[in-house]
Amino acid sequence: KAGVTQTPRYLIKTRGQQVTLSCSPISGHRSVSWYQQTPGQGLQFLFEYFSETQRNKGNFPGRFSGRQFSNSRSEMNVSTLELGDSALYLCASRAGTSTDTQYFGPGTRLTVL
Amino acid sequence: GESVGLHLPTLSVQEGDNSIINCAYSNSASDYFIWYKQESGKGPQFIIDIRSNMDKRQGQRVTVLLNKTVKHLSLQIAATQPGDSAVYFCAESFGNEKLTFGTGTRLTIIP
Repeated sequence: KAGVTQTPRYLIKTRGQQVTLSCSPISGHRSVSWYQQTPGQGLQFLFEYFSETQRNKGNFPGRFSGRQFSNSRSEMNVSTLELGDSALYLCASRAGTSTDTQYFGPGTRLTVL
Repeated sequence: GESVGLHLPTLSVQEGDNSIINCAYSNSASDYFIWYKQESGKGPQFIIDIRSNMDKRQGQRVTVLLNKTVKHLSLQIAATQPGDSAVYFCAESFGNEKLTFGTGTRLTIIP
């Protein structure tokens, strides 16, 4: 079974721009979560989607948004990019219930100049 | 608030020896704990998990111990190999709805 895939793997943007990242979960998984990883803050939870609905949300500004499609693929969008948004953005999928393990993708490395 | 912290940021272990990575958590309501391994340039890889109704769980070369009394979690890796060099994260959640990660410990295996 293929793992979680994320595209693109690397991205360079400038301040003020917006960016969309994509995540394809493991086949059959209905839950997708997004995390931001930085050296200073570590791994921080952004949000989780399940069956196209946001089920949980972390403490990030409204510039960070996401959505999930009927095939469980998910996208996250960051608008008005700031230098501090430079990070590794990780997507994790799980089957959907509270007893399921989350499996991570390789991440998208976003650099904001 | 909820927080998960690691005692040691770095750990060096001789190849073949056992290693122990520790983690403290503060949310006594957390009922699910996971250890992940992250190698350079990759996403976190699931190692082992444990639920709060257990105090020990074993996998292949790895054992997780949970002490709810002192809110402490540890990961033991037996007979360490060069491929075990990575950053190890513990994470906790309540109902597995949201994972809160520790800061990570870098494990270096010395040949």
